[in-house]
Amino acid sequence: DTAVSQTPKYLVTQMGNDKSIKCEQNLGHDTMYWYKQDSKKFLKIMFSYNNKELIINETVPNRFSPKSPDKAHLNLHINSLELGDSAVYFCASSSRGASPYEQYFGPGTRLTVT
Amino acid sequence: KNQVEQSPQSLIILEGKNCTLQCNYTVSPFSNLRWYKQDTGRGPVSLTIMTFSENTKSNGRYTATLDADTKQSSLHITASQLSDSASYICVVSAGDTGFQKLVFGTGTRLLVSP
Repeated sequence: DTAVSQTPKYLVTQMGNDKSIKCEQNLGHDTMYWYKQDSKKFLKIMFSYNNKELIINETVPNRFSPKSPDKAHLNLHINSLELGDSAVYFCASSSRGASPYEQYFGPGTRLTVT
Repeated sequence: KNQVEQSPQSLIILEGKNCTLQCNYTVSPFSNLRWYKQDTGRGPVSLTIMTFSENTKSNGRYTATLDADTKQSSLHITASQLSDSASYICVVSAGDTGFQKLVFGTGTRLLVSP
């Protein structure tokens, strides 16, 4: 009965590789997000999708490409991984119809680039 | 520039004691302010959400206050328990309509010791 799930939970890879992180929510929400939490525990939004359309893109390198096949899924593909990409990536979802709409976060994916 | 600052950065208290965490923000246009609890290795979980017109909100032993004039908020934890050990993140939502962008503070790391 997990609300927002992410896979994998841990990802260790080498520089230059391409990897994907998947996110799924079963809350019936129409908006999904990707956040990056760096080593200082600071959370920063990367992308937001509403009904499969990109609505927020916070100056993220174009090596990061989100894809939303449907409202319940938002995947993050990262090309040519760099050391600085090491972080914990959180997916979240919310319902635009609710105000002030609560965001529910997934458990996070810890990405380590070596 | 939208910013959220929290203090203290970390805090150690004895089980059963009370504590208060502080949050100052410069976010415009202000929509709402949230306090999240993030356990180690988990995603943030919402404790309270306050809009401009609310100046206090409680959730069990957690009580948040908001002074929209001075742009300050506090989170008071009463009768702390070991399970309260976590990071507490103040988040301000910017935007007046439609899609709101969350601006995260860097968090206060609380350790409740027996």
